[in-house]
Amino acid sequence: EAGVTQFPSHSVIEKGQTVTLRCDPISGHDNLYWYRRVMGKEIKFLLHFVKESKQDESGMPNNRFLAERTGGTYSTLKVQPAELEDSGVYFCASSQARSPYEQYFGPGTRLTVT
Amino acid sequence: KNQVEQSPQSLIILEGKNCTLQCNYTVSPFSNLRWYKQDTGRGPVSLTIMTFSENTKSNGRYTATLDADTKQSSLHITASQLSDSASYICVVSPFGGATNKLIFGTGTLLAVQP
Repeated sequence: EAGVTQFPSHSVIEKGQTVTLRCDPISGHDNLYWYRRVMGKEIKFLLHFVKESKQDESGMPNNRFLAERTGGTYSTLKVQPAELEDSGVYFCASSQARSPYEQYFGPGTRLTVT
Repeated sequence: KNQVEQSPQSLIILEGKNCTLQCNYTVSPFSNLRWYKQDTGRGPVSLTIMTFSENTKSNGRYTATLDADTKQSSLHITASQLSDSASYICVVSPFGGATNKLIFGTGTLLAVQP
């Protein structure tokens, strides 16, 4: 069974540019989560999809971040326009629709904004 | 202030030795407490998941304990191996609400030396 995959693995962009991160969850997992770790800090929750619906987006930092999960399969996280403080590692995780909702993480996308 | 605090921040031990990592949390109520292992450049991988009613959970050489009264957890690693070198992260899942978001500690960086 394939794990959670993320693309790209690393992205370097200039301030003001747009970047789109992609996450492919484990097949059959209805729950999809986005998390972020900025340098020196703990991993923090961004948002949670159940199928194609946003269940909780309380962790999204501001309206420059837009997450979508069309069709309830893969998800994209767009940052537009990117700022320096957006640099960090963005993780995606997925889980089945039953407790304890074991979350399986992807390898992350390292975003560097210069 | 982070709701999940871990100690020590880093630890160096010799191969074959045991070690214990600590976690204190203020998240209340909580659904479950997890320990994750994160290798450099990889996503976190779950080691154990404990509900509030469980006191201990083992996974091979890893044993986690939980004291819900004092809001403390520990992860004990027995007979350490070089491959145990990684960051170990204590994670709490709050109880209630429609989301399964996770609250992460900052991790303990473990280095096992030959």
